[in-house]
Amino acid sequence: EAQVTQNPRYLITVTGKKLTVTCSQNMNHEYMSWYRQDPGLGLRQIYYSMNVEVTDKGDVPEGYKVSRKEKRNFPLILESPSPNQTSLYFCASSYVITSTDTQYFGPGTRLTVL
Amino acid sequence: RKEVEQDPGPFNVPEGATVAFNCTYSNSASQSFFWYRQDCRKEPKLLMSVYSSGNEDGRFTAQLNRASQYISLLIRDSKLSDSATYLCVVDSGYSTLTFGKGTMLLVSP
Repeated sequence: EAQVTQNPRYLITVTGKKLTVTCSQNMNHEYMSWYRQDPGLGLRQIYYSMNVEVTDKGDVPEGYKVSRKEKRNFPLILESPSPNQTSLYFCASSYVITSTDTQYFGPGTRLTVL
Repeated sequence: RKEVEQDPGPFNVPEGATVAFNCTYSNSASQSFFWYRQDCRKEPKLLMSVYSSGNEDGRFTAQLNRASQYISLLIRDSKLSDSATYLCVVDSGYSTLTFGKGTMLLVSP
């Protein structure tokens, strides 16, 4: 089954404790991205990657890191999480190198930082 | 900053009603337009792309007006299962997409 998977789905952590949210897709997609969704603010892009070893900042990259060592994986790293990073996070992928193709979203990761 | 604006709603309609949502965008260079559907804090899913000539998919019709920079979504014969948040999405021209904040639709029996 074609899909985007994220782990963990739910996470409660404390300020400053490094964490990684994994994202994997099995559709051989070139383009992958991370979004966060907050009430009243909608979906905002954190980082995106157009290919292996190619990453770029989105609208809200502060406090996050990403890597794209393999085509299928695009982990999101929070080196020192803070309460303002409490949010619902979505990973997405699409086939072509631009973003104009259909985006397939993972099921989301609900993160709480205390 | 490229913006996409939507009426947040909620739009409360009875089953069988016709309802329309509009969305305005600020980037005149945008070439790609979409409507996504999102159920209560689940992942967004593509509902339909929006083409210049307008397009229809069953009960759903999408229109694009480039001159006025807005897109619309019309839902005919609303079903209970249409209750969701509808996200207007526009390409920003920088290999990224800009999402509107969404319009909530509630269809009641």
